[in-house]
Amino acid sequence: AQTVTQSQPEMSVQEAETVTLSCTYDTSESDYYLFWYKQPPSRQMILVIRQEAYKQQNATENRFSVNFQKAAKSFSLKISDSQLGDAAMYFCAYRSALRKTSGSRLTFGEGTQLTVNP
Amino acid sequence: NAGVTQTPKFRILKIGQSMTLQCAQDMNHNYMYWYRQDPGMGLKLIYYSVGAGITDKGEVPNGYNVSRSTTEDFPLRLELAAPSQTSVYFCASSYHRDAFFGQGTRLTVV
Repeated sequence: AQTVTQSQPEMSVQEAETVTLSCTYDTSESDYYLFWYKQPPSRQMILVIRQEAYKQQNATENRFSVNFQKAAKSFSLKISDSQLGDAAMYFCAYRSALRKTSGSRLTFGEGTQLTVNP
Repeated sequence: NAGVTQTPKFRILKIGQSMTLQCAQDMNHNYMYWYRQDPGMGLKLIYYSVGAGITDKGEVPNGYNVSRSTTEDFPLRLELAAPSQTSVYFCASSYHRDAFFGQGTRLTVV
């Protein structure tokens, strides 16, 4: 079974600075997706960024980028120019690309609560 | 474009009562999921479905039941509610890569 570990329960960053959230995962599969989700106090799950395991290039979405290290099974999220609206719980998630693997379920880490200080 | 719609948004149940959490999606997705999120924790899979008429257990299925009679709907049934079922419940659907989540239902069992 796949597992996802986020070792930082809480992080804080000053507005306009950069912060990196860590995530490691365990899998025996070679084809999968990795995601970062943001959950603000409204509790809505918002997809921030995704990475396909077969792509060597790290994904980037505006101020959000990832550092995907497949051999190390590491998937960190970097938030540049942090804004007050970035304050939220962030979840790392894994999903097999094989549809028959348990219905392609998402497996989540425990989350990292990010505080942005003005 | 409604996406994934969950009802109700909030509910308080007494111990031993039963209820059904509704979930509907309008994206014609085959895959649907129910997750629960306990305070300060990640999401854990309760049940999932790969298509109409096909459901299977996730990590934490005890105390719940599901059905999938149509592609659009995936209701979650709680029988004999217990305080341990106090949580936020999320329904999600997907076709292949990305999953889309409903707004969640905050359930309190007292």
